[in-house]
Amino acid sequence: AQTVTQSQPEMSVQEAETVTLSCTYDTSENNYYLFWYKQPPSRQMILVIRQEAYKQQNATENRFSVNFQKAAKSFSLKISDSQLGDTAMYFCAFTPYGGATNKLIFGTGTLLAVQP
Amino acid sequence: GAVVSQHPSWVICKSGTSVKIECRSLDFQATTMFWYRQFPKQSLMLMATSNEGSKATYEQGVEKDKFLINHASLTLSTLTVTSAHPEDSSFYICSARRTASSNQPQHFGDGTRLSIL
Repeated sequence: AQTVTQSQPEMSVQEAETVTLSCTYDTSENNYYLFWYKQPPSRQMILVIRQEAYKQQNATENRFSVNFQKAAKSFSLKISDSQLGDTAMYFCAFTPYGGATNKLIFGTGTLLAVQP
Repeated sequence: GAVVSQHPSWVICKSGTSVKIECRSLDFQATTMFWYRQFPKQSLMLMATSNEGSKATYEQGVEKDKFLINHASLTLSTLTVTSAHPEDSSFYICSARRTASSNQPQHFGDGTRLSIL
């Protein structure tokens, strides 16, 4: 079975500082995609960053970057220069490569609070 | 690009009524749409996957006669909660994907908060 684990239910960071959110997953697949989604209080799910498993280079998107360790099945999200607007629930998600019915498997989420 | 609109954003209705929620991809064609349910402070639970022109594929434990899904066009999918009861109260979120393959990311709507009295 494919699972995604986020071991940090809640985290807090001071504005302008850096925070890292953890995510591990379990799969027997070799090709897959990993995502981080953000859900602010408005409840809309927003794609933060995406990583293809076949790419060794870690994905970056402005202040957001990932540390993808395929052998360890780890996919952490680093947020640099944290802003108040980063306050949200963050979900790590996994989907196997290709296939019409492959679905996103979500972790349980990490609630991040950015403090002024 | 990749905007998904969900309507209504909030609905309150009496027990026993049916409620229809619409999910539209505004600036792209979505071959595949997904419906999720989310309880407070919990993750998203996939209810069903629908491909345009086909019957929806429901996850285990989701009653297909209770949650009717129609994906009649490449830009619109609807979820109808039939004979809704208080236990159906929840936050429902749809997402849309351009192609049938998981190579493409899912784009999410704003969600619908359903409250059954």
